[in-house]
Amino acid sequence: SQQGEEDPQALSIQEGENATMNCSYKTSINNLQWYRQNSGRGLVHLILIRSNEREKHSGRLRVTLDTSKKSSSLLITASRAADTASYFCATETQGGSEKLVFGKGTKLTVNP
Amino acid sequence: GAVVSQHPSWVICKSGTSVKIECRSLDFQATTMFWYRQFPKQSLMLMATSNEGSKATYEQGVEKDKFLINHASLTLSTLTVTSAHPEDSSFYICSARDPRQSTDTQYFGPGTRLTVL
Repeated sequence: SQQGEEDPQALSIQEGENATMNCSYKTSINNLQWYRQNSGRGLVHLILIRSNEREKHSGRLRVTLDTSKKSSSLLITASRAADTASYFCATETQGGSEKLVFGKGTKLTVNP
Repeated sequence: GAVVSQHPSWVICKSGTSVKIECRSLDFQATTMFWYRQFPKQSLMLMATSNEGSKATYEQGVEKDKFLINHASLTLSTLTVTSAHPEDSSFYICSARDPRQSTDTQYFGPGTRLTVL
């Protein structure tokens, strides 16, 4: 079952602008991971944030995690046309099963 | 990062036939692999957990007799869609975690697109 909800479902911005995507989940987690998927392709891992972390950076990506609100956000700064893709959050629930539960995803379009 | 491959990348088959999809961890050993299914414009849904040397664990609503999983070695898991029907047409993706890494990152294969005519 999906436990994550992402918003917005779709986001269209101009190159150079920042893009923010949000993810909410329902259960206690070990970590939350963000993935990118180009149309019809596999998933590329972007960043992982553990439940005891609040913020993480990787290049133009910034992820925050608020476990009290059970939510996370992914910020892509200075977006590029090549960032056009679908972005998914996935949570690994507590318990050690390693299973990931995916959100519905945000389709990001960056217009040149 | 670690590399996971899938074969084939796409397959078209007739209704009623069986199709086998392979998932390999190329540079690491994985005792556990995961199989997901993704319908067009939707998210990934976990189908089952493939356990090396033991039976797979299926998610609720997934028919274990229809989606046969075999994890015979530490680098290979196979998913066989038996008696495929058009509604089984989907994008099937596997993943695994590299035990050599301290992070909990899951690495995904490139996916297999199945079309059942």
